[in-house]
Amino acid sequence: EADIYQTPRYLVIGTGKKITLECSQTMGHDKMYWYQQDPGMELHLIHYSYGVNSTEKGDLSSESTVSRIRTEHFPLTLESARPSHTSQYLCASSKDPGSPLHFGNGTRLTVT
Amino acid sequence: AQTVTQSQPEMSVQEAETVTLSCTYDTSENNYYLFWYKQPPSRQMILVIRQEAYKQQNATENRFSVNFQKAAKSFSLKISDSQLGDTAMYFCAFMKENAGNMLTFGGGTRLMVKP
Repeated sequence: EADIYQTPRYLVIGTGKKITLECSQTMGHDKMYWYQQDPGMELHLIHYSYGVNSTEKGDLSSESTVSRIRTEHFPLTLESARPSHTSQYLCASSKDPGSPLHFGNGTRLTVT
Repeated sequence: AQTVTQSQPEMSVQEAETVTLSCTYDTSENNYYLFWYKQPPSRQMILVIRQEAYKQQNATENRFSVNFQKAAKSFSLKISDSQLGDTAMYFCAFMKENAGNMLTFGGGTRLMVKP
């Protein structure tokens, strides 16, 4: 089932472009996360949010930014994409303490 | 900081056989949660199984079970009666208690089920 949606699924863009990766969930979860998955498949937390108007940087430094204006929406923006940003980006959400994260299908970004 | 290690980058198993994926972690916490996630090729990351550290009983979900050894900081996943649809990347993950449900992932194990 797809209770958490990410668009686009695939994106190929040129260097210097501004992009926004969309993430929405319909489960009413207050906690949301962005993970970056490198080609070696390791996952690293780059941003998280505990609720509306709350955003924090994760363990892995990222040039991207996020916003949380609505509970269900947690977009990620790159102001000026570079080839080093090529990766898969996974959005996830969670609710109760200790409950598992629900993941979206991911956005595979390629910057040429 | 917590670290999660999966020492087997790749594994293969014959259909209908049993396979065990290893995971070790390092933490100074006493209460935490452990998870196994499955990521099929080009598909969504899905939860396989969850274990609460304060529960001694090993979690099971149908053909999937864990061997949780808290003192050894070990959390292996056993898949019984392997099916072709089990082919995927498997990630072990650690969640600290009362820390916003953030997951720290291991590097993953690529499992191939052969017919």
